[in-house]
Parts: sequence; C-alpha cells; structure tokens
Amino acid sequence: DVKVTQSSRYLVKRTGEKVFLECVQDMDHENMFWYRQDPGLGLRLIYFSYDVKMKEKGDIPEGYSVSREKKERFSLILESASTNQTSMYLCASRPTLDRDYGYTFGSGTRLTVV
Amino acid sequence: KNEVEQSPQNLTAQEGEFITINCSYSVGISALHWLQQHPGGGIVSLFMLSSGKKKHGRLIATINIQEKHSSLHITASHPRDSAVYICAVRQGNKLVFGAGTILRVKS
Repeated sequence: DVKVTQSSRYLVKRTGEKVFLECVQDMDHENMFWYRQDPGLGLRLIYFSYDVKMKEKGDIPEGYSVSREKKERFSLILESASTNQTSMYLCASRPTLDRDYGYTFGSGTRLTVV
Repeated sequence: KNEVEQSPQNLTAQEGEFITINCSYSVGISALHWLQQHPGGGIVSLFMLSSGKKKHGRLIATINIQEKHSSLHITASHPRDSAVYICAVRQGNKLVFGAGTILRVKS
C-alpha cells in the first residue's frame, strides 16, 4: 500500500513563527498536493507539484510556499504564521497527471496558531 | 455557488438503513471521486468514477454524466460507517471538493 506520511498530527505555533509541514510518500508518485480543510468549506488546494522542483499555485496560495527537492518529499511552509492559518492540513499524492488514478491522502496535521 | 454541492450536509441513520448521499457539480470533469474521512482526519479514497456504477462491499457509487450528478449508497449501514463522506471532481490537474456530508449511524 502507498503511504503518505505527514510528520505531525497536531501542532501549536505562535503568530509570526515560520512553520514547516512535511509530507513523505513511499511509492515514487510524481504528483503531490497540499490542501487545507476548514468547516463548511471543504478541502481547498494550496499548492501542488507534478515533479521534483516543480510547483504550481492552487486556489489559496497566499501566505504559503512549498519545496520539493526530492520526489518523495513535499514541504509546506508558512513564512509567518497567522491565526487565520489555523486549520487541518492534508497532503496527497497520485502517480501521474496523465491518467485517472486515485489519490492517496495523509492523516492530516491539525495546526493551531495562537 | 460552489462548483460541487453535496446533500444532505448532515445525516443521522439507524443501523441497517439504506443511505444515499448526493453530489451535483456544475463543471466539466474527467472523473469523480468519493472519499471517506473518519474522526482524526485521515482520508480514504472509496471510488473513482467516470461513468456508470461501481460497487465495493456495501458501498455503491453511481454517476450520470449528462445530469452532472453522482450518488453514494450504503446498504445495511453500520455504526462504523459514521464518517464524513466527500465528493470531489477532477478538473484538469486539480480536484474540486464538496463540503462533505457528516454521517452518523446509530446502533
């Protein structure tokens, strides 16, 4: 089974801190995604990457950046955390964009910014 | 108006009941996904559909491309089916998600 592992289940950070959320997948998937999930809004795409060192903005990239130096790891960075970034963050991966494959999701990181 | 609308938002059922969750979308898609999210956050992919019907155990998913509508059915529901069920449609490189349906099955 493909595994998508997010480094932390729960995080509490202070306003203004730089925050790193890490995601690692073990099946050589090309595509990786970062979403945030808020009540009533569903999942919204922050950034995605379709290959090493490649990234594209999703629907809500403001206040975030990403890094993909190795194929298996996709990091989400909050440059200066703010309280409105308190949310559940979910990472996902899929093999390729070329065909319709399913997505594999991580367990999520619940981030609280105080 | 959201591009992906789910109904109902909340659903409470008795164990054994037949359950239907609906998903309507307003955009062209290449595939539709049904996902399950248990308390604690992890999301599991249940189905990916581009036409017709799929069945896995007690779960059945159907899609009508012309009507832009999909349904997820759970037969003989059980308390362990309690979860959030999420519909998502694939548009190009991205998934667009519905807000989810919170299902609670009581014993």
